[in-house]
Amino acid sequence: EIVLTQSPATLSLSPGERAALSCRASQSINNYLAWYQQKPGQPPRLLIYDASNRATGVPARFSGSGSGTDFTLTINSLEPEDFAIYYCQQRSNWPLTFGGGTKVEIK
Amino acid sequence: EVQLVESGGGLVQPGGSLRLSCAASGLTVSSHDMSWVRQAPGKGLEWVSSIRISAVETHYADSVKGRFTISRDNSKNTLYLQMDTLRAEDTATYYCAKEIRYHYMEVWGKGTTVTVSS
Repeated sequence: EIVLTQSPATLSLSPGERAALSCRASQSINNYLAWYQQKPGQPPRLLIYDASNRATGVPARFSGSGSGTDFTLTINSLEPEDFAIYYCQQRSNWPLTFGGGTKVEIK
Repeated sequence: EVQLVESGGGLVQPGGSLRLSCAASGLTVSSHDMSWVRQAPGKGLEWVSSIRISAVETHYADSVKGRFTISRDNSKNTLYLQMDTLRAEDTATYYCAKEIRYHYMEVWGKGTTVTVSS
């Protein structure tokens, strides 16, 4: 099973600041990685797939990068609605796995 | 508008069974790979099961293999998750999702809550 480790667990930032979230895989997953955003009481929302492709309707301030084992989700100039929990997910191997999440909170 | 609506959750005793349903509108479940993902209270996301377009190929997390069965009814445009021999650790909100690009979850339902407790 591929383990995804997200860091940091919590990121405290102010609106307008840049957020950089990390996801590290226990083995190479090529670029088969997605990022999701989840707000309280809501289902997750797909943001990024195949490491760097924005899903439909996702604002351009969200970008993804990386390949192999190290991946980053960058949120440029945080908006109030961006404070949420973010998860990464790999589709390289079965079972599909998610990272433990990074909470982006208002400082 | 594409919509997935889960139902069938509830309180069940350990060892019991439930069948979750996921009714789709605005999309045809038989035309997409589909998945179930769960989230225990206050915890992260856990993939549970996927069914390919062919419906012949299915996959399960080790934690549910042999106890849960994913299926779909094309005539009802509905995805199912039959859950048997339920355990306390199966307590979670269960989401169904339409996949894109081979197993990314593009469209999610709002979820249905399963509580396994005596």
